[in-house]
Amino acid sequence: KQEVTQIPAALSVPEGENLVLNCSFTDSAIYNLQWFRQDPGKGLTSLLLIQSSQREQTSGRLNASLDKSSGRSTLYIAASQPGDSATYLCAVIAIKAAGNKLTFGGGTRVLVKP
Amino acid sequence: DGGITQSPKYLFRKEGQNVTLSCEQNLNHDAMYWYRQDPGQGLRLIYYSQIVNDFQKGDIAEGYSVSREKKESFPLTVTSAQKNPTAFYLCASSLGQGGNTEAFFGQGTRLTVV
Repeated sequence: KQEVTQIPAALSVPEGENLVLNCSFTDSAIYNLQWFRQDPGKGLTSLLLIQSSQREQTSGRLNASLDKSSGRSTLYIAASQPGDSATYLCAVIAIKAAGNKLTFGGGTRVLVKP
Repeated sequence: DGGITQSPKYLFRKEGQNVTLSCEQNLNHDAMYWYRQDPGQGLRLIYYSQIVNDFQKGDIAEGYSVSREKKESFPLTVTSAQKNPTAFYLCASSLGQGGNTEAFFGQGTRLTVV
């Protein structure tokens, strides 16, 4: 059974510092890994999708890496801003998963202090 | 605007009452999903549908029902059999072709039992 873990559960950094968020998964047989952002009381916003054949994806200040063999992904957010404060979730689609369902980590709650 | 629309944003249910949450998408996606989010438990899959007129139970389907009569619509009914329905409900969709597709989410419905 695929399990996804995000450590730490919460993170606080001063504005301008780079953010490093970790995601690990137990079964390396995945189709893809997706990073989401969730603001309080809101839905999930897709940030980056990394296909299983890719090593990284970039979008603006965001960069996500994927190491399937070790079951890890890292989301880097450069030069953090107070507006980056949110909960960040990673999710994978396991090849064995019925219906291409996403398996989520518990999220990392980020606070960027001005 | 393309996207997923969930309604209502807030919903209150009395004991013994059935309620229906709406989810509509105009992304022309084949696959649609319902997740439940509880504090400290992450997102869990309730039901999913990969094609019109077909749907499958997810990990926590007891006390819920769905229908998929139209490609763009996937309503979720929370029945009186669901003992602890208070939660944040999220609808998602994807192309559903293999696993290499990005999932998109609605803004969620918060259901509270009164």
